[in-house]
Amino acid sequence: KNQVEQSPQSLIILEGKNCTLQCNYTVSPFSNLRWYKQDTGRGPVSLTIMTFSENTKSNGRYTATLDADTKQSSLHITASQLSDSASYICVVKRGGSQGNLIFGKGTKLSVKP
Amino acid sequence: NAGVTQTPKFQVLKTGQSMTLQCAQDMNHEYMSWYRQDPGMGLRLIHYSVGAGITDQGEVPNGYNVSRSTTEDFPLRLLSAAPSQTSVYFCASSRDRGLSGNTIYFGEGSWLTVV
Repeated sequence: KNQVEQSPQSLIILEGKNCTLQCNYTVSPFSNLRWYKQDTGRGPVSLTIMTFSENTKSNGRYTATLDADTKQSSLHITASQLSDSASYICVVKRGGSQGNLIFGKGTKLSVKP
Repeated sequence: NAGVTQTPKFQVLKTGQSMTLQCAQDMNHEYMSWYRQDPGMGLRLIHYSVGAGITDQGEVPNGYNVSRSTTEDFPLRLLSAAPSQTSVYFCASSRDRGLSGNTIYFGEGSWLTVV
């Protein structure tokens, strides 16, 4: 079954600290993996997109990694800020003619002062 | 540059009523889609369109109808609202289906409550 599992479900960290969010997937065939940030009451906003051949991609203080062999991805946030408080959603795009997106349930991150 | 615009932001409906959620994009994207987001679940695809005049069903299409008469607009119609359709709805658009790694842009969401 095509699934995307994220951990932890929720996370609380202090401002200025680093954190890492995990994403494991069983989607096949694989096309690409995306991380989105969703602020409360807003729509998801794209952070990174990685294809099979890409191991790491950065977007400012956000760095995503992909291990296509183990079907794992992580999103590392450096020097967290209060504005990083949001849900982070891992999304895997299936390959082939279907090509549908499989969404994880998200990790809710709270950054406290 | 508006991106993807959804209206209304909030709506309360009575069971059995019908309504249309509007979605418009100004990026000349061919691919548009509608998702619903429920607590404890990932976003689920309702309907999608690969271009004007072409629509298809997603994962949870029952109770919803769509049309794509222009590239810019992709309205979602609830035919006879049910409490199970209480959810947050997101419209999205992209240059293609995303296989090439193109960014998928989401609207700000429409909060629908059916009582």
